[in-house]
Amino acid sequence: AQSVSQHNHHVILSEAASLELGCNYSYGGTVNLFWYVQYPGQHLQLLLKYFSGDPLVKGIKGFEAEFIKSKFSFNLRKPSVQWSDTAEYFCAVNGVGGDKIIFGKGTRLHILP
Amino acid sequence: DAGVTQSPTHLIKTRGQHVTLRCSPISGHKSVSWYQQVLGQGPQFIFQYYEKEERGRGNFPDRFSARQFPNYSSELNVNALLLGDSALYLCASSYGTGGIGYGYTFGSGTRLTVV
Repeated sequence: AQSVSQHNHHVILSEAASLELGCNYSYGGTVNLFWYVQYPGQHLQLLLKYFSGDPLVKGIKGFEAEFIKSKFSFNLRKPSVQWSDTAEYFCAVNGVGGDKIIFGKGTRLHILP
Repeated sequence: DAGVTQSPTHLIKTRGQHVTLRCSPISGHKSVSWYQQVLGQGPQFIFQYYEKEERGRGNFPDRFSARQFPNYSSELNVNALLLGDSALYLCASSYGTGGIGYGYTFGSGTRLTVV
């Protein structure tokens, strides 16, 4: 079955700490991969996406993610977080030619000032 | 350019009632998808429409239906509302359907509360 698994439900970090959020997916085919962010009271926004090519993708606000095909992983990273990164982060996969995006359950990130 | 617009933003309905949610995609986008986001969960796929035809359906009961109009806007209808239908309903707009390079832009959602 197609699925996305996010390893951490709730992460608390201090400002300037490094961040890595884990994401693994299960899908039998070529995929598009996404990380979305949902700031408190706001709508889902695309942080970054991977379609093909360089497996290390850079997104907005200093975020990056690495696609490791052999591990079916697409982990999100940021070297130094800020208080404004407090939000919920969703990893998602869309099979090429498929009709839907499958989301993980989300990771709630709380940054202490 | 206007983003994906959804209306209404908030709605309170009583069990057993019917509700219609509306979505206007980004200009030039031909695909609209609907998702349900229950508190504490990731969005769950309900429908995808492309060129006014249903292209995909998630695991939701027949009480949920949708359609897409010639201008590519879309409506999501839910009949016989249950308390468990309380959620944020998201609309996503894209140029195509699931091809390489096609991204999805989400609207702000409609918060439906069933009492």
